[in-house]
Amino acid sequence: AQSVTQLGSHVSVSEGALVLLRCNYSSSVPPYLFWYVQYPNQGLQLLLKYTTGATLVKGINGFEAEFKKSETSFHLTKPSAHMSDAAEYFCAVSSRDDKIIFGKGTRLHILP
Amino acid sequence: DVKVTQSSRYLVKRTGEKVFLECVQDMDHENMFWYRQDPGLGLRLIYFSYDVKMKEKGDIPEGYSVSREKKERFSLILESASTNQTSMYLCASAPKGGIYEQYFGPGTRLTVT
Repeated sequence: AQSVTQLGSHVSVSEGALVLLRCNYSSSVPPYLFWYVQYPNQGLQLLLKYTTGATLVKGINGFEAEFKKSETSFHLTKPSAHMSDAAEYFCAVSSRDDKIIFGKGTRLHILP
Repeated sequence: DVKVTQSSRYLVKRTGEKVFLECVQDMDHENMFWYRQDPGLGLRLIYFSYDVKMKEKGDIPEGYSVSREKKERFSLILESASTNQTSMYLCASAPKGGIYEQYFGPGTRLTVT
């Protein structure tokens, strides 16, 4: 069975600083991995996804994530935080029955 | 662009009322999903459907039912609303295959008083 753990329900970074949101997964088969973002009062939208191939995946708004099989991790990073990045971020893994298992989310706060 | 729309952004209902939440997608996706989102709990799957008239229970189906009479429409029904069903409800759709991401609607914030 698949599962996802996001470390830290709240993360605060200063504007211009590195953003690092941590995600570890458990999967009995090669995983498909996703990061979604949710802005206030909106649905979720896809930031990036890993299916196969290159382990460093680039997404929208300058975010990227690296699939590390040995560490079962898929951490999300952005070199320089912007105020508009304040949102909730969800890591997710796809099961083989077309369902997606979501982590509990990390709320990112940007300090001026 | 994929569009997933939900019938209401905000809804207030009384305890015991029957509540219908509607979701429509315009991309001919086979799969559709209903989640509820609560602080600290993330997204929990209520029901999903992989084809017309097909449905499967998710992790928290108690107190809910669903209907999918047409491919583009997936309805969530609360037979007798209770205060513990106050939540944000999110609908999503996806093509068949698991490799594909889900596309989400804007959500319905339901308050049961």
